[in-house]
Amino acid sequence: NAGVTQTPKFQVLKTGQSMTLQCAQDMNHEYMSWYRQDPGMGLRLIHYSVGAGITDQGEVPNGYNVSRSTTEDFPLRLLSAAPSQTSVYFCASSPTGGAEQFFGPGTRLTVL
Amino acid sequence: AQSVTQPDIHITVSEGASLELRCNYSYGATPYLFWYVQSPGQGLQLLLKYFSGDTLVQGIKGFEAEFKRSQSSFNLRKPSVHWSDAAEYFCAVGFGGTYKYIFGTGTRLKVLA
Repeated sequence: NAGVTQTPKFQVLKTGQSMTLQCAQDMNHEYMSWYRQDPGMGLRLIHYSVGAGITDQGEVPNGYNVSRSTTEDFPLRLLSAAPSQTSVYFCASSPTGGAEQFFGPGTRLTVL
Repeated sequence: AQSVTQPDIHITVSEGASLELRCNYSYGATPYLFWYVQSPGQGLQLLLKYFSGDTLVQGIKGFEAEFKRSQSSFNLRKPSVHWSDAAEYFCAVGFGGTYKYIFGTGTRLKVLA
């Protein structure tokens, strides 16, 4: 099993550009989530999904969209990148509510 | 409000010394409790978890954690630290039956040779 994979590993955007961060898992997990990690702030939940076709907002959803058309994939879209979105983004999956999460290797995003 | 507190932002220990990283949570019931480790440039890896039962749980890499209900704490310990343990450690809570998780802000561990 590859576990949770994320692409790209690094990305530089200009303010106003849009892009999609990819996340996939091969463990047939129901729950998937996106976090951003900023120094001194731990991980903050952006969006999450409890199954295909079901998504909801987390703590910091503004400026991001998600969709879940399949169990495996959970892409995160930045609509119009801003410097405040410079961060490291992690995707995670979990077999069920409250269980441990499995994390991808992260995407380091810089917005100029 | 539910919260997770890791009061130590940085901790420095000598190789071979013992380690304790603190974690306190605020919640009306007992949540699911986790410790994750993040090496530089890497994702988070689960060290150990507590759902119920024995309050002393063993994890990978020689780590253990003790759940103390009366103190709402879940401190991580290791009897003898190795240089490879230098990393950032995150405490997290999950809420059974929901998909809500809260992470602490992390403790960065430095190990002196």
